[in-house]
Amino acid sequence: GDSVTQMEGPVTLSEEAFLTINCTYTATGYPSLFWYVQYPGEGLQLLLKATKADDKGSNKGFEATYRKETTSFHLEKGSVQVSDSAVYFCALPLGGSQGNLIFGKGTKLSVKP
Amino acid sequence: DSGVTQTPKHLITATGQRVTLRCSPRSGDLSVYWYQQSLDQGLQFLIQYYNGEERAKGNILERFSAQQFPDLHSELNLSSLELGDSALYFCASSVGIGNYEQYFGPGTRLTVT
Repeated sequence: GDSVTQMEGPVTLSEEAFLTINCTYTATGYPSLFWYVQYPGEGLQLLLKATKADDKGSNKGFEATYRKETTSFHLEKGSVQVSDSAVYFCALPLGGSQGNLIFGKGTKLSVKP
Repeated sequence: DSGVTQTPKHLITATGQRVTLRCSPRSGDLSVYWYQQSLDQGLQFLIQYYNGEERAKGNILERFSAQQFPDLHSELNLSSLELGDSALYFCASSVGIGNYEQYFGPGTRLTVT
């Protein structure tokens, strides 16, 4: 069945370091792919999305490219800030369903000054 | 602010009790989703409604039920509560069903004592 595998955290980086959070998926067809972010004590916010193969989603300096050949949607940022400290979730809509999301387990990122 | 509102923010109750969580979707969104977030299970989809009708069910216990009203707000009812039901409950909404991004509310933190 459809699934999302996300690299386990926690990830600790220094400010201005490069960030990669790996996400691979198994899906029926070619669903949209999403990254959500959850800041401490808050709900999930949509960070970025891609709707088809080779699409690049971007927002707030974060990017992810929909790679059909490797079934991946890795999240990257060139220079992280302390304010990026949060939990990041990769997600896709369950195939054949009405759109409910399957989430990865989440990756906790801590950025130190 | 996602435009999705949830009440109450926190709820503390005893085992065996029944509670109701409320969600108002973003203006114009017809689809409402309920998710449960716990440390051991991660983010799990519970149930989805679209324009008043149930459209998909996930890992929702029989003790739990939901509905969506004509004004599109939704309620999640949890009964015969157990300690293991303690979790964050999120509501999300989207404009349609399928590959649409979902916008999440701030969540209701339920503590069962």
